[in-house]
Amino acid sequence: EAQVTQNPRYLITVTGKKLTVTCSQNMNHEYMSWYRQDPGLGLRQIYYSMNVEVTDKGDVPEGYKVSRKEKRNFPLILESPSPNQTSLYFCASRTGLETQYFGPGTRLLVL
Amino acid sequence: TQLLEQSPQFLSIQEGENLTVYCNSSSVFSSLQWYRQEPGEGPVLLVTVVTGGEVKKLKRLTFQFGDARKDSSLHITAAQPGDTGLYLCAGPYSGGYQKVTFGTGTKLQVIP
Repeated sequence: EAQVTQNPRYLITVTGKKLTVTCSQNMNHEYMSWYRQDPGLGLRQIYYSMNVEVTDKGDVPEGYKVSRKEKRNFPLILESPSPNQTSLYFCASRTGLETQYFGPGTRLLVL
Repeated sequence: TQLLEQSPQFLSIQEGENLTVYCNSSSVFSSLQWYRQEPGEGPVLLVTVVTGGEVKKLKRLTFQFGDARKDSSLHITAAQPGDTGLYLCAGPYSGGYQKVTFGTGTKLQVIP
């Protein structure tokens, strides 16, 4: 089954404690992206990757890092999380201009 | 920054009613997409419109792309409870398809 998986689905952490949210897709897609979704603000793009070792900033990259060492994986790293990074995070992937598939989301609470 | 504004933000209607959701921008988009998102899940693509003036139908859903490619609308005929969800429009930034901007969404509730 074609899918994008994210782990963990729910995470509660404290300010400053480094964390990684993993994202994996099994569709051999070149393009992967991370979004955060906040009430009243919609989905905002954090980072995207056009292929292995090729990443670039979206609209809200501050406080986040990403890496793309393998085609299927695109982890999102929060080196020093802060409460304003409390949000619902989505990973997505696609090939070219085809349909973008979204993962199930990771709900993060930073205390 | 190319912004997409959606209206209304919230819509609560009775089953069987018709409704229209709007997605507007001051910028020209090469294409626009409509997604539906249900609670606890990621957005799912409904349609992509590419040509100015284009109309696409998906069962009871009709999507239209404005002639100037600055706006789009989603019309639902005879809404059903299964249509309940968050409807999002999205489009690529000019110059490429890598960066994508989303509208703020329209939350639809269809009451049986």
